[in-house]
Formats: sequence, structure tokens, C-alpha cells
Amino acid sequence: KQEVTQIPAALSVPEGENLVLNCSFTDSAIYNLQWFRQDPGKGLTSLLLIQSSQREQTSGRLNASLDKSSGRSTLYIAASQPGDSATYLCAVRPQRGSWGKLQFGAGTQVVVTP
Amino acid sequence: NAGVTQTPKFRILKIGQSMTLQCTQDMNHNYMYWYRQDPGMGLKLIYYSVGAGITDKGEVPNGYNVSRSTTEDFPLRLELAAPSQTSVYFCASGENTEAFFGQGTRLTVV
Repeated sequence: KQEVTQIPAALSVPEGENLVLNCSFTDSAIYNLQWFRQDPGKGLTSLLLIQSSQREQTSGRLNASLDKSSGRSTLYIAASQPGDSATYLCAVRPQRGSWGKLQFGAGTQVVVTP
Repeated sequence: NAGVTQTPKFRILKIGQSMTLQCTQDMNHNYMYWYRQDPGMGLKLIYYSVGAGITDKGEVPNGYNVSRSTTEDFPLRLELAAPSQTSVYFCASGENTEAFFGQGTRLTVV
């Protein structure tokens, strides 16, 4: 059974510092991995999607890497801002026959202090 | 461009009551999902559907039912609500590549 773990559970950094968020999964047979942002009381916003054949994906200040063989993905957020404060969730989509079902980690709660 | 719309946003139920959480998507996606999120936990899959008329159980289906009569709608039914069903419920739609989520329904059972 696939297990998705995110460490740390919470993180506080001063504004301007780079953020590094980790996601690990036990079964490397994944179709893709998706990073989401969740603001308090809100839904999930998709940040980046990495296909299993890709090593990284970038969007603005965000960069996500994927090492499928070791079961790890890392989300980097450069030059953090108070507006980056949120919970970040990673989710993996298993290969074949999964009908697109996502398996989620518990998330990392990030606070960026001014 | 509404995306995935969930109603209601908040609801308080008494133990034993029933209710239906509504979910509508306007992106013509075949796949739709219901997840629940408990505090400090990741999202867990309740039910999913791969197209109109086809539904299947996820990881935590007990106490819930679903139907999918159209591509757009995927309602989640709670029968005999229990305190353990207090949670935030998210509906999502997508294809096999990416998922789009609604804003969630916060349900409290007292």
C-alpha cells in the first residue's frame, strides 16, 4: 500500500529565506506527483504537476523535483513572502488502473514571518 | 469559469440526520472524486466515479453513498450522520493527469 509522508509537519521562516518542503512515497510505481497549496478554510490549488518521466518542473519562484527511484519529491520556494504562508500538500497518482486517484500526504504548514 | 462547485460551504447536522453534499463541475471531466480531510491529516478518498453511471468505493466509504447520473454532478449522501463524519469534504474532478478541487464543505455532526 502506498504511503505518502511529508516532513516537517510545520515550518516557520523569515521573509526572504528559501523554503524546502519534502515529500516521500513508499511505492515508486507512480504515474505522476502533484503539489497543492491549501489556505485556511479554502480548497486546494494545484501548484505543480510532475510526470513520472520528468525530473523537475518550474513555475515562477516554485521548483519541484522528483526522484522516483528513491521515492522523493522536493518543493523549493525561492525568496519566500508572507503570502506564501499556507499548507502545502503533495499527492501521488499510482500507475495503471488507478482512475486518477490521488494519495495524499498530511501536508506541511508553512508560516513566513515579515 | 466556475470549475468545481460544492454546496453547502458549512453545515451542522444532528446525529442520525441525513444530508446530501452537492458537487458540480463544468469542465466535462469524466473522473470525479470525494475526499474527506480530518485535522492534521491528508485527504482520504471516499468514493470516485469514472463516468456517468459508474461509481466505486475508495479508502473510507462506510456511512456514505454516491450517484453519478450526469457527467456534471456527483452528489455525496450521508445517511444516519455520526460524530466521526465531522470533517471537511472536498470534491474534485479531472482526467488521468491532473485534479481540480472545489472549495470544500465543512460538516459538523453534533
